[in-house]
Amino acid sequence: DARVTQTPRHKVTEMGQEVTMRCQPILGHNTVFWYRQTMMQGLELLAYFRNRAPLDDSGMPKDRFSAEMPDATLATLKIQPSEPRDSAVYFCASGLSYSNQPQHFGDGTRLSIL
Amino acid sequence: AQKVTQAQTEISVVEKEDVTLDCVYETRDTTYYLFWYKQPPSGELVFLIRRNSFDEQNEISGRYSWNFQKSTSSFNFTITASQVVDSAVYFCALSEGGADGLTFGKGTHLIIQP
Repeated sequence: DARVTQTPRHKVTEMGQEVTMRCQPILGHNTVFWYRQTMMQGLELLAYFRNRAPLDDSGMPKDRFSAEMPDATLATLKIQPSEPRDSAVYFCASGLSYSNQPQHFGDGTRLSIL
Repeated sequence: AQKVTQAQTEISVVEKEDVTLDCVYETRDTTYYLFWYKQPPSGELVFLIRRNSFDEQNEISGRYSWNFQKSTSSFNFTITASQVVDSAVYFCALSEGGADGLTFGKGTHLIIQP
């Protein structure tokens, strides 16, 4: 089965450090999503891309977060500088527009900022 | 703005009991999609079902069934003859486009006791 691949699976770093999370969407999927899961806020949409163009990043803190798709096989989410409140599980998902298929989620990156 | 409410934070039942998880949604769009995802203790998000707003037919898949009622803006999920392996957090979600970002409810933690 095709899967969305996220790396790293776990990341622990100190406050102020840059964090980069990577996502390889399912081949052929043209839409990529980033979500964040915390105990307090639950699952929130941060941003998403269609055909590599950003469609919506209104859920993302603009001052320290950035999301890009350098090519169709890679999406990145960067935090610089990181803060303890960024500790969460970050999920990437991919999907195909105008299809009956749902979004497929990766296993997530568990991020801890000390 | 769209919103998904899962009023039941946690449900605990004994194995073999039937259990219903409630989901109420809000949206201004006439075309939208509803989803259920399962998050087991291992943390991944597992897709269970997707329904579009034009299809109010109830669906059954093995021990799982879903009841979609537009009149009450509800999309409830029933597990019949529950099993310990059904223990997980279940999320209801809404999308105002088939391949757009999901708005999740806060989730219902389902505990099936042996």
